[in-house]
Amino acid sequence: DGGITQSPKYLFRKEGQNVTLSCEQNLNHDAMYWYRQDPGQGLRLIYYSQIVNDFQKGDIAEGYSVSREKKESFPLTVTSAQKNPTAFYLCASSIGARHADTQYFGPGTRLTVL
Amino acid sequence: EDQVTQSPEALRLQEGESSSLNCSYTVSGLRGLFWYRQDPGKGPEFLFTLYSAGEEKEKERLKATLTKKESFLHITAPKPEDSATYLCAVQPQEAAGNKLTFGGGTRVLVKP
Repeated sequence: DGGITQSPKYLFRKEGQNVTLSCEQNLNHDAMYWYRQDPGQGLRLIYYSQIVNDFQKGDIAEGYSVSREKKESFPLTVTSAQKNPTAFYLCASSIGARHADTQYFGPGTRLTVL
Repeated sequence: EDQVTQSPEALRLQEGESSSLNCSYTVSGLRGLFWYRQDPGKGPEFLFTLYSAGEEKEKERLKATLTKKESFLHITAPKPEDSATYLCAVQPQEAAGNKLTFGGGTRVLVKP
């Protein structure tokens, strides 16, 4: 079954801690994305990667970091520098980063700062 | 600045009561407009992509249309299982990579 998996589903973080959210896809997609969703707001792009070993900042990259060492994996680290990290985090992938390639989403990780 | 505005924010329908959701956008040029459905606590599920004014796409009780300034998602004779948040996103012509700009969504509740 092809798809995108995110883990964990729920994550709790103490103030000052870094945490890493996992995103894996077996769709053989080249491009991957991380979005943040807050209640009543649209999805906002954090980082995206068009190819292995390359990634670009999105609109709200401050306080986050990513890596893309394998085509299937695009982990997101939420650092202590992110001032308001409580949100629903969504990973997506697309076959490429060409014009209007459809992005498909994973099930999400809900991060709560205690 | 690219903007996407969805209205209404919330919509309560009786089963069988057809209605439309609106997605207004302001971009310098449109590469594509996307509709997604999102259930509570889950990731968005892709519904449609529209590329040019006049284009229409259908899937079961859903029909999406596109003009130069807005898109409509028509729900015909909805059922309770159509209850969800519907998200609209646009990709501007000048967007780097495959970047999408999302609207805030319309929450739809269909009562039996």
